Amino acid sequence: GAVVSQHPSWVICKSGTSVKIECRSLDFQATTMFWYRQFPKQSLMLMATSNEGSKATYEQGVEKDKFLINHASLTLSTLTVTSAHPEDSSFYICSAHDNYGYTFGSGTRLTVV
Amino acid sequence: AQSVAQPEDQVNVAEGNPLTVKCTYSVSGNPYLFWYVQYPNRGLQFLLKYITGDNLVKGSYGFEAEFNKSQTSFHLKKPSALVSDSALYFCAVRDMNSGAGSYQLTFGKGTKLSVIP
Repeated sequence: GAVVSQHPSWVICKSGTSVKIECRSLDFQATTMFWYRQFPKQSLMLMATSNEGSKATYEQGVEKDKFLINHASLTLSTLTVTSAHPEDSSFYICSAHDNYGYTFGSGTRLTVV
Repeated sequence: AQSVAQPEDQVNVAEGNPLTVKCTYSVSGNPYLFWYVQYPNRGLQFLLKYITGDNLVKGSYGFEAEFNKSQTSFHLKKPSALVSDSALYFCAVRDMNSGAGSYQLTFGKGTKLSVIP
């Protein structure tokens, strides 16, 4: 079945630095990828939708200059958290969409200290 | 607009007993419904989906869900719960009549299932 590889699975970084999270569709081409943020014991909050070769569409309240999304190819999307702060600590999950449905990455636990 | 409600934050069930996790939805067109399971610090794993056809959908790990259009519900069920079923369960919906290129899923808040040995 479809597999989405997301890494790193966890990362700890210092406040003020940037962190890049990669999401790859391994055996299919994902025309659309989604990035979610999940707070403890809460549901997934959609941050942005990215389509290959075009700018990402951000949800209301999500800072596009802070959460940079690049979808350069049909198999790779990246989320870069710039100038990270402790309040950015969260669980980030990507999801890829193809004609058969949605496949999720295993998530990235980001801790900003 | 589309929305999903999971009315229970937590469901406790004894091992071997049947389990139900509730979900109701709201879409303007026809629904495309999903159930996912999430284990701690992991992404979401697909359990089952409803697009069209039989109202009773069978999925992974012995789970099934029944689509009820009149009640706008899509409850997740399993005849006999296992301790290993303990996890967080999410219901999600997409409006099949949404505009071309709009593939966003809307998730419920999640229901924590605890199966007691």
